[in-house]
Amino acid sequence: EAGVAQSPRYKIIEKRQSVAFWCNPISGHATLYWYQQILGQGPKLLIQFQNNGVVDDSQLPKDRFSAERLKGVDSTLKIQPAKLEDSAVYLCASSFSGEIYNEQFFGPGTRLTVL
Amino acid sequence: GQNIDQPTEMTATEGAIVQINCTYQTSGFNGLFWYQQHAGEAPTFLSYNVLDGLEEKGRFSSFLSRSKGYSYLLLKELQMKDSASYLCAVSDSNYQLIWGAGTKLIIKP
Repeated sequence: EAGVAQSPRYKIIEKRQSVAFWCNPISGHATLYWYQQILGQGPKLLIQFQNNGVVDDSQLPKDRFSAERLKGVDSTLKIQPAKLEDSAVYLCASSFSGEIYNEQFFGPGTRLTVL
Repeated sequence: GQNIDQPTEMTATEGAIVQINCTYQTSGFNGLFWYQQHAGEAPTFLSYNVLDGLEEKGRFSSFLSRSKGYSYLLLKELQMKDSASYLCAVSDSNYQLIWGAGTKLIIKP
């Protein structure tokens, strides 16, 4: 089966610019996660969707970050405007459900550099 | 607060055995995951423990003690390709994964 797809793989922007990332989860996976991973740290959950509804966005900096999953399948994460501290890898993951045995499958990630 | 602790870095020799420890304090417990992450790549699933005891899968084993809030990942017959970061993650009462910072494992010939 196809894995989690993400694009772009790399992005370099200047501070105050905008950027968008795209994720297509594994077919049939109801739950989708966006994580931010700074070098040397574990993933930090930004937002979790169950189908097209938001389950948890408590750590999403809502003044600059937004995410949507309109049809309950693919998702976009946007940063507007970007700051230097947003430089990180943005990982998208999906799982069959958000409960019980919720093994998450990760996409290759988008490495963002903000100059 | 919720907390996952694991060593920052460990070094081991090719062919040897290494144990990576993880201690946790979370609000509720619905299982513990170990993931492997090679540099520049996404995490990949290694193991899942929800009951106490040892789960063996080839060269890798994972142990859990819920009463002690403790787990370890045991890697046997180390190979150079095992050089990676190993992430411990706990599923809490809301089924949210709480992630550790990862242990960077360096394998020397």
